[in-house]
Amino acid sequence: DIQMTQSPSTLPASVGDRITITCRASQSIKSWLAWYQQRPGKAPKLLIYRASSLESGVPSRFSGSASGAEFTLTISSLQPDDFATYYCQQYSDYPYTFGQGTKLEIK
Amino acid sequence: QVQLVESGGGVVQPGGSLRLSCAASGFTFSGYAMHWVRQTPGKGLEWLATISYDGKDKDYADSVRDRFTISRDNSKNTVYLQMNTLRQEDSALYYCTKDAGHQGYSDYWGQGTTITVSA
Repeated sequence: DIQMTQSPSTLPASVGDRITITCRASQSIKSWLAWYQQRPGKAPKLLIYRASSLESGVPSRFSGSASGAEFTLTISSLQPDDFATYYCQQYSDYPYTFGQGTKLEIK
Repeated sequence: QVQLVESGGGVVQPGGSLRLSCAASGFTFSGYAMHWVRQTPGKGLEWLATISYDGKDKDYADSVRDRFTISRDNSKNTVYLQMNTLRQEDSALYYCTKDAGHQGYSDYWGQGTTITVSA
């Protein structure tokens, strides 16, 4: 199985900050990676697919990038609504696997 | 707008069975693969199963293979997850998700249905 290692697990930040969350795959997944945002009590919401493609309707302050087996989600200027938990998911091979999540907290 | 509504969750004894349903609307259901994903506080998000748009191809996580069966009825716009021989570790929030289109990632998620396996 492909392991997805996400870091950090918790990230304290403030409104207006630029933050980066990283996800590393245990083997090549090319660009078959998605990022989701989950607010408390809600289902995950798709933000980014194919490593860097922004889902329709998602604010442009969210962006994704890839370098080899390392993937990054960046939020350029945190807004109050962005404090949530973020997950990566590889869909290169079955079984599809998720990172363990990054909880973005108010500092 | 796309809607996915799961049902069928509840409390079941170890070794028991449940069938989850997910009613879809707002898109051409027969054109998209569907997934089941579960979430627990301890293990996070876990992909469980995928069924192709026509129901012919199915894939499962090892943790549920041979115990869970995914199926769909395109005439009813519904996907199912038959869960047998349930274990305590199957207790979770179960989500039905819509594939983005022969892709593998999910562009829409239901609100989930909770299963508790307990004696």
